[in-house]
Amino acid sequence: QKEVEQDPGPLSVPEGAIVSLNCTYSNSAFQYFMWYRQYSRKGPELLMYTYSSGNKEDGRFTAQVDKSSKYISLFIRDSQPSDSATYLCATAGGTSYGKLTFGQGTILTVHP
Amino acid sequence: NAGVMQNPRHLVRRRGQEARLRCSPMKGHSHVYWYRQLPEEGLKFMVYLQKENIIDESGMPKERFSAEFPKEGPSILRIQQVVRGDSAAYFCASSPKSGVGTEAFFGQGTRLTVV
Repeated sequence: QKEVEQDPGPLSVPEGAIVSLNCTYSNSAFQYFMWYRQYSRKGPELLMYTYSSGNKEDGRFTAQVDKSSKYISLFIRDSQPSDSATYLCATAGGTSYGKLTFGQGTILTVHP
Repeated sequence: NAGVMQNPRHLVRRRGQEARLRCSPMKGHSHVYWYRQLPEEGLKFMVYLQKENIIDESGMPKERFSAEFPKEGPSILRIQQVVRGDSAAYFCASSPKSGVGTEAFFGQGTRLTVV
């Protein structure tokens, strides 16, 4: 079993839709939860960062963490074609804070 | 302030050759992490280094792979006697301290192709 599971998609939505991206993880020691966006042939860029359980909002993006069910979510409101990218969830904590454990990534396409 | 710089961006090597990938962290960052991304897969942690020290190499293959981060100069990921299965994108990230998430910035990656 992978430590972080993420549905690779692909996911295709019309412009303006609400997008929901999800991950599950198995290691209860994880305390830090991140979402990265990666455009084709580029490096990942950090979108959202959450410590422990709860919600965090930044503009059109909302990240949720439910540690009781080991579930991580990213919501994108009013999606735009420029949001088309691969979204990667990542976790860290436990014995190695320098090490991020990534999900497989979900390919998102927002069409006009 | 320049971001994390990786070079070369693209590298082609024949089977059996050596590949050297370089990473210059952001100014003021003394912690470097290397990740590998295989086609259709997420990023996999390889190694975590501070200046002149390897902190965590739990993701490094036991053979042919090595990494260093000298006192002066970039971090180097070295792959000896490359094989086709080494073809992947290799990403470097840096942080100013033992950072997680917020403080870790990624470079644009080096895409290694083994022919």
